[in-house]
Amino acid sequence: KNEVEQSPQNLTAQEGEFITINCSYSVGISALHWLQQHPGGGIVSLFMLSSGKKKHGRLIATINIQEKHSSLHITASHPRDSAVYICAVTPGGTSYGKLTFGQGTILTVHP
Amino acid sequence: KAGVTQTPRYLIKTRGQQVTLSCSPISGHRSVSWYQQTPGQGLQFLFEYFSETQRNKGNFPGRFSGRQFSNSRSEMNVSTLELGDSALYLCASSRTGGSGETQYFGPGTRLLVL
Repeated sequence: KNEVEQSPQNLTAQEGEFITINCSYSVGISALHWLQQHPGGGIVSLFMLSSGKKKHGRLIATINIQEKHSSLHITASHPRDSAVYICAVTPGGTSYGKLTFGQGTILTVHP
Repeated sequence: KAGVTQTPRYLIKTRGQQVTLSCSPISGHRSVSWYQQTPGQGLQFLFEYFSETQRNKGNFPGRFSGRQFSNSRSEMNVSTLELGDSALYLCASSRTGGSGETQYFGPGTRLLVL
C-alpha cells in the first residue's frame, strides 16, 4: 500500500463546477504539499500545510492531522485548471529535502 | 529572481551508456533534491544535497549518483543506462531543505534510453 493515496485518479468536470481531490497518508509527516503539473512536466507548488486550511484565489486546501487526510478544492473550475494535481508529504523526523508523492489526479475541465 | 534551471531538456541515449544531468537552483537556495518520474512508478525521490553533502537518499541502485558544487549547482549521473531509466528527471531547490519549506521545481530533463 502506498504511503500517500489520492482519489479520484481521474476527474472530469464542466466549467464552473466545484471540485474536490482527496489525499490520505499513512505515515507521520512534517508537512503536506499540493502540487500542480501541466503537460510538458513543470511542477508548481500550490500549498504547503501542516494544519488547518489555506486559500489562494479559487483554490482551498485543508488538512486533518488526526485523520491523516487532506483535500484540495477548486471553486468555479475553469478549463485552464486542467492539469495533474499531486499530493506529497514531507515525512516526519530527519528527512531533508525528501517528498513522498501520491499517484496524482488527472483533472480535465470542459468548457 | 530566476527559477530553477535544468540542462539538457531532452536527451536520447542507448543502453549501457552513462548520462549527466545538471540543475542550477534559485539563487540563495542551498538544498537541491532530485526526483524521477515514470508512468509506472510516478514521482520518486532520488537524493538531496546541501552544502556539497548528500544528506538523504532514496531507494535507487548505486548506478544513480550525484554531487553538488560550492555554488549549489548540482549534477546527477546515471551509469550503465537501462531501458527502465527512461523518465523525466526533476530537480527542486529550497533554502535549506528543511521540513517547513516549499520546494521549487525545475522544468525537468526528459531522458529516453533506447
